[in-house]
Amino acid sequence: SQQGEEDPQALSIQEGENATMNCSYKTSINNLQWYRQNSGRGLVHLILIRSNEREKHSGRLRVTLDTSKKSSSLLITASRAADTASYFCATGNQGGKLIFGQGTELSVKP
Amino acid sequence: DSGVTQTPKHLITATGQRVTLRCSPRSGDLSVYWYQQSLDQGLQFLIQYYNGEERAKGNILERFSAQQFPDLHSELNLSSLELGDSALYFCASSVWDHSYNEQFFGPGTRLTVL
Repeated sequence: SQQGEEDPQALSIQEGENATMNCSYKTSINNLQWYRQNSGRGLVHLILIRSNEREKHSGRLRVTLDTSKKSSSLLITASRAADTASYFCATGNQGGKLIFGQGTELSVKP
Repeated sequence: DSGVTQTPKHLITATGQRVTLRCSPRSGDLSVYWYQQSLDQGLQFLIQYYNGEERAKGNILERFSAQQFPDLHSELNLSSLELGDSALYFCASSVWDHSYNEQFFGPGTRLTVL
């Protein structure tokens, strides 16, 4: 079963615009990770944020985590056509396994 | 390139058959995870090994089994295959066995059961 839900399920924007994806989860977590998947290929790790962190940046990516609301958001600034992909959040608790959300399909039009 | 390798890339087989998927983790990673991605179930955790020992089990069917060898590569065995087993199977690896490290995913094996 899925841990959380991602919102929106699909997002279409123009190059240069910002893209925001949200993830909600149900149980307590140790960390939350974001992954990108291009068209049925492998998952690429983007960023990990721990439960005691509120915000993290990596290049054009900004992730926030609100444990009181059990939610996270991924912001991609100045989107490029190459950012077109599916984005997944995954939560980690005790042990190593990750529980994934359903994903957001991002389409960036040139 | 994550450093995790999986073979084969594609596998087409018939119902009732048995297949073996292979995974080599990143150099230095002791933990290996298997995940299944299908259209109806999404990405599901199957099983985790750490340094040769099973650490956690998820939604893994009894027809499926896995092991991690002394050289740390892992194999996922799927038997008595059914149409519904068609999916992308991913292997991931991390340094340790707890959830504070990033998991790096291989390119996946696409299994088609006819």
